[in-house]
Amino acid sequence: EIVLTQSPGTLSLSPGERATLSCRASQSVSSSYLAWHQQKPGQAPRLLIYTASSRATGIPDRFSGSGSGTDFTLTISRLEPEDFAVYYCQQYGSSPITFGQGTRLEIK
Amino acid sequence: EVQLVESGGGLVQPGGSLRLSCAASGFTFSSYYMSWVRQAPGKGLEWVANMNQDGSEKYYVDSVKGRFTISRDNAKNSLYLQMNSLRAEDTAVYYCARDGAKTTVTTRWGQGTLVTVSS
Repeated sequence: EIVLTQSPGTLSLSPGERATLSCRASQSVSSSYLAWHQQKPGQAPRLLIYTASSRATGIPDRFSGSGSGTDFTLTISRLEPEDFAVYYCQQYGSSPITFGQGTRLEIK
Repeated sequence: EVQLVESGGGLVQPGGSLRLSCAASGFTFSSYYMSWVRQAPGKGLEWVANMNQDGSEKYYVDSVKGRFTISRDNAKNSLYLQMNSLRAEDTAVYYCARDGAKTTVTTRWGQGTLVTVSS
């Protein structure tokens, strides 16, 4: 099983700032099958990024993903008020599919 | 518009059974992998099970193997999760999820149904 470790656990930033979230895998993620999801309180998650760097339909271009192998990053270039949420990485390259424990992005 | 609507959640005693359903619309259901993902109260996401388009391949997280069964009815655009021998640690919101057509990335999520296992 691939274990995904996200850091930091909580990130406190202000609107307009740049956010950098990390996801590290315990072994290489096949074909860069790494996704990022956003979850707001009381809501279902929403897919942001798949295959490490491809934005899902309707996702603003301030969201970008990068990385390969075991190290992946989600970057939000300029934080909007609606971006404060919990972010999860997910690997789907091998079974079982696994999620990271999440990074909470909060308003400073 | 893609819609995934779960039903069947509720309160059940330890050792009991429950069957979750997911009604899908707005896309060609038979063309996609489908999954169940759960989230315990205040916790993160945990993938539970998935299956391919014709049901010939099914995969489960170790903690539910032998107790949960995923199935689908492509004629009814529906996904199911039969849950037996339920435990307190199965308490969670269960999300129905549409994956990709060729990969198992979770692309769309339902709103979830709460399952509470308690005496």
